[in-house]
Amino acid sequence: ETGVTQTPRHLVMGMTNKKSLKCEQHLGHNAMYWYKQSAKKPLELMFVYSLEERVENNSVPSRFSPECPNSSHLFLHLHTLQPEDSALYLCASSLNRGQIAGELFFGEGSRLTVL
Amino acid sequence: DAKTTQPNSMESNEEEPVHLPCNHSTISGTDYIHWYRQLPSQGPEYVIHGLTSNVNNRMASLAIAEDRKSSTLILHRATLRDAAVYYCILFNGGTSYGKLTFGQGTILTVHP
Repeated sequence: ETGVTQTPRHLVMGMTNKKSLKCEQHLGHNAMYWYKQSAKKPLELMFVYSLEERVENNSVPSRFSPECPNSSHLFLHLHTLQPEDSALYLCASSLNRGQIAGELFFGEGSRLTVL
Repeated sequence: DAKTTQPNSMESNEEEPVHLPCNHSTISGTDYIHWYRQLPSQGPEYVIHGLTSNVNNRMASLAIAEDRKSSTLILHRATLRDAAVYYCILFNGGTSYGKLTFGQGTILTVHP
């Protein structure tokens, strides 16, 4: 238990569906992140939010839409995805965006399958 | 981002020490060396980090070469629960917005 909770843990969706992944942390952290982990590939950073402001968007397709309504919650809205988007989506948080220690706390991930 | 190089895989026996190497020859003076590990079906978890001096915590020890071009994560007595992918990552808080760039890591197998 890291203090970062992701729901759902597993999601299967068709290419025309709209779904959302949710991440919640009650660690008092100010920065939150979405990472994507595809089979046999390193983790890829998708988005970074610091104090609810998006500070980084790593050339992610617009079919992925993040939302950070407050410092404790982060969403990833999904629409018209492709089968190659099937992956483990990991949420993480850290105390501050540029904190020297750089310790990230990860959730257990949401396993997404796109049919 | 400065790169790290790790062996693809390593094996160990339970109760024995494990030394996981990492090369980072292009490290800058302000890069911290971080180690994370990812157990099967879980997100990565922080293990340890250091800048210049060797570091110890309840999970592991980090030995950093004097020129900082390499480091070694030491698990003093491997258990089956230590079987995971271990990532060595360089982090520069001043420029990286707190983001960590993960490589392929080292797959550690622990035999009973």
